[in-house]
Amino acid sequence: DARVTQTPRHKVTEMGQEVTMRCQPILGHNTVFWYRQTMMQGLELLAYFRNRAPLDDSGMPKDRFSAEMPDATLATLKIQPSEPRDSAVYFCASGLVRLAGVVAKNIQYFGAGTRLSVL
Amino acid sequence: DQQVKQNSPSLSVQEGRISILNCDYTNSMFDYFLWYKKYPAEGPTFLISISSIKDKNEDGRFTVFLNKSAKHLSLHIVPSQPGDSAVYFCAASQHPGYALNFGKGTSLLVTP
Repeated sequence: DARVTQTPRHKVTEMGQEVTMRCQPILGHNTVFWYRQTMMQGLELLAYFRNRAPLDDSGMPKDRFSAEMPDATLATLKIQPSEPRDSAVYFCASGLVRLAGVVAKNIQYFGAGTRLSVL
Repeated sequence: DQQVKQNSPSLSVQEGRISILNCDYTNSMFDYFLWYKKYPAEGPTFLISISSIKDKNEDGRFTVFLNKSAKHLSLHIVPSQPGDSAVYFCAASQHPGYALNFGKGTSLLVTP
């Protein structure tokens, strides 16, 4: 049963500390997304990659957030330094995007999320 | 600014009846629309999608209707079951495979 795996599931940290969240996309998927869910904003895009190349990171605070894909099986989201306003649930999603002109479902499959609390 | 809006935060429906969840969008470039379902402590799971070339898509008990002129879509669940109780998110993108713009969700409660 293929699924997106996110670690850790929960993280409590103090303001100023570095936080690293990891995501293992579904094997064979070529697109990885990072979303954040808060009560105020709902689900919002932070960044996404296709074939490991960043396509859009306009939703990310550049001064403290960074997203990378060291290889096709791992995506990371780092916050340094963390602040209380970063407290949220962070979701990773992956999908197989075909760019051959055929309209396909191109569904995004979500992990269970990392719940981050910054005190 | 929120480009996808779900104006009803919650909805309660009796088992066996129809559930209708609504969604409005403002960006006329959106071409592809999806509904996701989310249980507590889990990630959203894909439910059904529709592209802008269609006005209806059906999958079992779930039907999505798209009215492009009104920039409105709706999800119909018939008949509703207690297991359908979850938060439903409407999402839209400019192309399949692009990042999704989500609404804030509607919490559906189906009572026996």
